[in-house]
Amino acid sequence: ETGVTQTPRHLVMGMTNKKSLKCEQHLGHNAMYWYKQSAKKPLELMFVYSLEERVENNSVPSRFSPECPNSSHLFLHLHTLQPEDSALYLCASSQLGVSYGYTFGSGTRLTVV
Amino acid sequence: AQKITQTQPGMFVQEKEAVTLDCTYDTSDQSYGLFWYKQPSSGEMIFLIYQGSYDEQNATEGRYSLNFQKARKSANLVISASQLGDSAMYFCAMRESRDDKIIFGKGTRLHILP
Repeated sequence: ETGVTQTPRHLVMGMTNKKSLKCEQHLGHNAMYWYKQSAKKPLELMFVYSLEERVENNSVPSRFSPECPNSSHLFLHLHTLQPEDSALYLCASSQLGVSYGYTFGSGTRLTVV
Repeated sequence: AQKITQTQPGMFVQEKEAVTLDCTYDTSDQSYGLFWYKQPSSGEMIFLIYQGSYDEQNATEGRYSLNFQKARKSANLVISASQLGDSAMYFCAMRESRDDKIIFGKGTRLHILP
């Protein structure tokens, strides 16, 4: 399988649930990213993992917890979310360097009820 | 200050016409990369075109071209002969030399009219 694979594509969860989003890439990229995209809002960078080390955490609430067990996999663990956390969550990967763009996954549409 | 500015929140263009989406950027780096992405209503982000700061020629990819004006720090996307399938959100983005991430603009929503 090529590209970046995100699962699940759609998720509905209650505010007391715990769920995880998964992202997988077999492109040999050494950086992975989580973005949040709410309706009518710009892309918001959440987390950056470079060479499997978290290098950026953009003031994301602790109810979002990332995990990068190896260079091919990235998780976003969710617990006690709020309705305003409903959004499209996009995973991306890239090589490091100015000439490398992101390859994005198809995203997970999350609805918190 | 914003690093990537897209001044057109929305545009309406007649099918088959050419369209220019504006993008200006701000950096003090000499080495950087500029990108355009397309996001249809399905949500996936599709890479369209790349321009390196040292590239002397404007990048082209099929119907897409990037009008790179380095002195003006401008990287406009030109879509020739627009099609209904071009209706989407378009993001301009930049990667600086020492940054692990890409900076995105707020996007322009393009509507192609039949």
